[in-house]
Amino acid sequence: GESVGLHLPTLSVQEGDNSIINCAYSNSASDYFIWYKQESGKGPQFIIDIRSNMDKRQGQRVTVLLNKTVKHLSLQIAATQPGDSAVYFCAFDAGTYKYIFGTGTRLKVLA
Amino acid sequence: DAEITQSPRHKITETGRQVTLACHQTWNHNNMFWYRQDLGHGLRLIHYSYGVQDTNKGEVSDGYSVSRSNTEDLPLTLESAASSQTSVYFCASRDSGNTIYFGEGSWLTVV
Repeated sequence: GESVGLHLPTLSVQEGDNSIINCAYSNSASDYFIWYKQESGKGPQFIIDIRSNMDKRQGQRVTVLLNKTVKHLSLQIAATQPGDSAVYFCAFDAGTYKYIFGTGTRLKVLA
Repeated sequence: DAEITQSPRHKITETGRQVTLACHQTWNHNNMFWYRQDLGHGLRLIHYSYGVQDTNKGEVSDGYSVSRSNTEDLPLTLESAASSQTSVYFCASRDSGNTIYFGEGSWLTVV
């Protein structure tokens, strides 16, 4: 399951550095993967997605990498900014309209 | 802009009372979901709906019910609120590309 709040793993990065957040998934049949950003007191916000027929997808300052061999997903944020501070978690489909939400990671951007 | 809105955003209620959380989306999405988010757990699915008049139980549906009388709304009802139902509740809808979009959340405290 996912931990939210005090028990989350935390990644601290200097402003301007790149951030890499990782996620492992368990269902080898999963076809679709999503990264969400959740700021304190707000709902999860869609960042980027990737389908299983791809291994890399880029957005604005974000890149998602998918390694199906080891069932691993990562989110890379380039030139991390203070506004990137949030909890990030992945989601993957686990059957029709069912999604599993991965363990969240708290990203702290240090000035 | 199309969006998904929840109300109330914050509510305190007493044990045993019936509570309804409203969810309204203007994207015309057929698929809608209710999740709860708790410390130590990830997002857990309560109920979901594929369309009007369709409702289905999720993994933590006991004590909750939903109804779907139109495309836009999926209200969540707690029949007799219990302290274990103190949580943050997120409504979500899914687009044709499988992406789930979340509302801003409803913070419910049962005392």
